[in-house]
Amino acid sequence: EIVLTQSPGTLSLSPGERATLSCWASQSVRSSYLAWYQQKPGQAPRLLLYGSSNRATGIPVRFSGGGSGTDFTLTISRLEPEDFAMYYCQQYGTSPWTFGQGTKVEIK
Amino acid sequence: QVQLQESGPGLVKPSQTLSLTCTVSGGSINNDDYYWSWIRQHPGKGLEWIAHIYFSGKTYYNPSLQSRITISVDTSKNQFSLQLSSVTAADAAVYYCARGGRYGDYVAYWGQGSLVTVSS
Repeated sequence: EIVLTQSPGTLSLSPGERATLSCWASQSVRSSYLAWYQQKPGQAPRLLLYGSSNRATGIPVRFSGGGSGTDFTLTISRLEPEDFAMYYCQQYGTSPWTFGQGTKVEIK
Repeated sequence: QVQLQESGPGLVKPSQTLSLTCTVSGGSINNDDYYWSWIRQHPGKGLEWIAHIYFSGKTYYNPSLQSRITISVDTSKNQFSLQLSSVTAADAAVYYCARGGRYGDYVAYWGQGSLVTVSS
């Protein structure tokens, strides 16, 4: 199975700052079938991006993604108070679909 | 807007079978364009894909759980279900039902989650 490793484990930033989250895959992710999700405490995850860089419906433009092969990135251009949360990447190109362990974006 | 709601016992005894149902509203389950899925999250941990099923009956399972999983669709009730047999404490988690995306096998919609405890 493809193992996804997210870095850093925790990102401490202030509102208005730029956040860059990384997701590395143990083998190439087919057709950039990589998604990003946001999860807040006590809530289900919410889809942010699919296909590495496509924003889901209703997701603000400050969220962007990129990458291919084994290296992927989620960027939040300017952090809003509601963006402080856990973020997970997921590959869905090769079964079993797998998730990264998550990056927590916390207020500095 | 598609909505999913899990239901089932919150407490299961060790060695017994965990049974959960997901009721879909705002859309029909009779559509093979996307899958219907179960995903779990151990307390304070990451996410683990369990299985998914298409309306046609085609199924995909996580190999680590495959021998214990049954997943099915009930089109008359617009529901799909998960059964996980021979549960242990390691199966205690929040179980999410979910729907795949229109443009790929990402998870587009999630239920709110159902906490399952395993204890005698």
